[in-house]
Amino acid sequence: AQSVTQPDIHITVSEGASLELRCNYSYGATPYLFWYVQSPGQGLQLLLKYFSGDTLVQGIKGFEAEFKRSQSSFNLRKPSVHWSDAAEYFCAVGAPMDSNYQLIWGAGTKLIIKP
Amino acid sequence: NAGVTQTPKFQVLKTGQSMTLQCAQDMNHEYMSWYRQDPGMGLRLIHYSVGAGITDQGEVPNGYNVSRSTTEDFPLRLLSAAPSQTSVYFCASSPREGTSGLANYGYTFGSGTRLTVV
Repeated sequence: AQSVTQPDIHITVSEGASLELRCNYSYGATPYLFWYVQSPGQGLQLLLKYFSGDTLVQGIKGFEAEFKRSQSSFNLRKPSVHWSDAAEYFCAVGAPMDSNYQLIWGAGTKLIIKP
Repeated sequence: NAGVTQTPKFQVLKTGQSMTLQCAQDMNHEYMSWYRQDPGMGLRLIHYSVGAGITDQGEVPNGYNVSRSTTEDFPLRLLSAAPSQTSVYFCASSPREGTSGLANYGYTFGSGTRLTVV
């Protein structure tokens, strides 16, 4: 069965520092991979997605993620965080051949920014 | 503005009451879904629809009902509210990708409904 693990429940980073949020998945083939962000009291917004091709994916708000097949990972990175990046981040996996369009979601990582 | 609109934003129900959470999208998306979000559990799929007249159960469908009479609307009905249904509910939609029949998974989410059952 597919699964998604976000090992860090909370991460605290100083403003201006670099960020990496971890995401590991379990799936028998190459899945579709996504990162979403949820600001407090808001719905989720798509940051970036990977379907195929270049394993380094650029997203909105200066985020990028790298798909590493050998590690079954899709970690999210940002070179310099801003206070406005404080939010909860969700990794999700979709099965390319699943016509039911269901995504499997990680439990989320809450990003806290220190001034 | 184009997007997914959810109403109400907040609701308090008594145990046993029924209600409908509304979801409407104006992007002509074929795929719509309902999730509930609980602390530490991520998002769990309740019901989804791949087009008007077609619905199916997700991971946690018990106690909920849906219908999809139009492309735009996808209401979620709580049949007899229970305290375990206290949660934040999100509706999401997505277009279909090309001719493959697979959704592109670029979901657009509504802003959520915070439901408390007492």
